[in-house]
Amino acid sequence: GQQLNQSPQSMFIQEGEDVSMNCTSSSIFNTWLWYKQDPGEGPVLLIALYKAGELTSNGRLTAQFGITRKDSFLNISASIPSDVGIYFCAGRGGGSEKLVFGKGTKLTVNP
Amino acid sequence: GAVVSQHPSWVICKSGTSVKIECRSLDFQATTMFWYRQFPKQSLMLMATSNEGSKATYEQGVEKDKFLINHASLTLSTLTVTSAHPEDSSFYICSAVPGLADYEQYFGPGTRLTVT
Repeated sequence: GQQLNQSPQSMFIQEGEDVSMNCTSSSIFNTWLWYKQDPGEGPVLLIALYKAGELTSNGRLTAQFGITRKDSFLNISASIPSDVGIYFCAGRGGGSEKLVFGKGTKLTVNP
Repeated sequence: GAVVSQHPSWVICKSGTSVKIECRSLDFQATTMFWYRQFPKQSLMLMATSNEGSKATYEQGVEKDKFLINHASLTLSTLTVTSAHPEDSSFYICSAVPGLADYEQYFGPGTRLTVT
């Protein structure tokens, strides 16, 4: 099935550092979502973006909906150990309810 | 709000047997639920879309006779893996959409299926 190109695949950072990850698509999406998944758990919605160019924050997290509607990025500022997990981007478009997921970015934060 | 539960959280079954997984929306009614499968270190792959009171819509390559989905009420959808084989071992996750003013998918905690 269709997938988004998400990068990087993994990141190893020190506590306190900022993190950036992004997703790109060959298709236009009307909605971009960012989820976090902890081991053995389901994904949890972090940020939802609905308009091209939109920049939205949720605490230390900031995400943007690319102006071309084909990309999005997620920034995490001042990382802490509990930020560890896998972050997935997801897109929705074409009038469909279905989400297309990226392959995930595995984040490791060293205390 | 928007809490989704799954039961069981993990299950081990023998090859050839059937397993039922339940997905419940606890504090909202969900007209649409989705079922995903996730293999280790991989992303979520959509298996089917389930609408209350109607037949599920399966994604290409997903056998509808093997993965039976029943969405009998606005708060419950079930996935039955029939005649399970070791290759069906995976993490199965459901999601539910509240509808009305909230169209996002809220995910359950997942069910780990191991077929021996």
